[in-house]
Amino acid sequence: KQEVTQIPAALSVPEGENLVLNCSFTDSAIYNLQWFRQDPGKGLTSLLLIQSSQREQTSGRLNASLDKSSGRSTLYIAASQPGDSATYLCAVKPIAGNMLTFGGGTRLMVKP
Amino acid sequence: GAVVSQHPSRVICKSGTSVKIECRSLDFQATTMFWYRQFPKQSLMLMATSNEGSKATYEQGVEKDKFLINHASLTLSTLTVTSAHPEDSSFYICSATAGGDSGNTIYFGEGSWLTVV
Repeated sequence: KQEVTQIPAALSVPEGENLVLNCSFTDSAIYNLQWFRQDPGKGLTSLLLIQSSQREQTSGRLNASLDKSSGRSTLYIAASQPGDSATYLCAVKPIAGNMLTFGGGTRLMVKP
Repeated sequence: GAVVSQHPSRVICKSGTSVKIECRSLDFQATTMFWYRQFPKQSLMLMATSNEGSKATYEQGVEKDKFLINHASLTLSTLTVTSAHPEDSSFYICSATAGGDSGNTIYFGEGSWLTVV
């Protein structure tokens, strides 16, 4: 059974810092990996999706990498802003089927 | 704009009553829908997978008689929490996809807050 772990569980940084969020998964037989943002009490916003054949994806200040063989992904946030404060979730999709397995999330607080 | 809509976004019900949450795909036919539950400060836990026209597949530990899922059409799935209790208070999120192929995009609803008093 796929297990997804995110480290750290919570992170507080001053504005302007570059930071890295980590995601690891136990079964490397994935179709893709996706990073989501969730604001308190809200649904999910998809940030980046990396196909299993890709190594990274970039969108603005966000960069996500994928090392499928080692079961790891990182989300890099450059020049963090208070508006980046949210919970970040990673989820993996299996090769067969559409069920996503989510990590526990990283709660990020960026202080002004 | 949103392609998956959930309703209601917030609901308060009395203990012992039943409450229904709707999940609609707005501009595509969703052959598969998923229902997740999220407790405060925790991640999403899959409750069940529903395919249009067939019975939902529930994850281990999820009571199918308590959480009734109906996926009667290609654009609508409903989750009914029966005889709700305070411990059922949670954030429920649905997602939908157009097909069983792994290549299909999965869209998430905005979530529904359920408070049982």
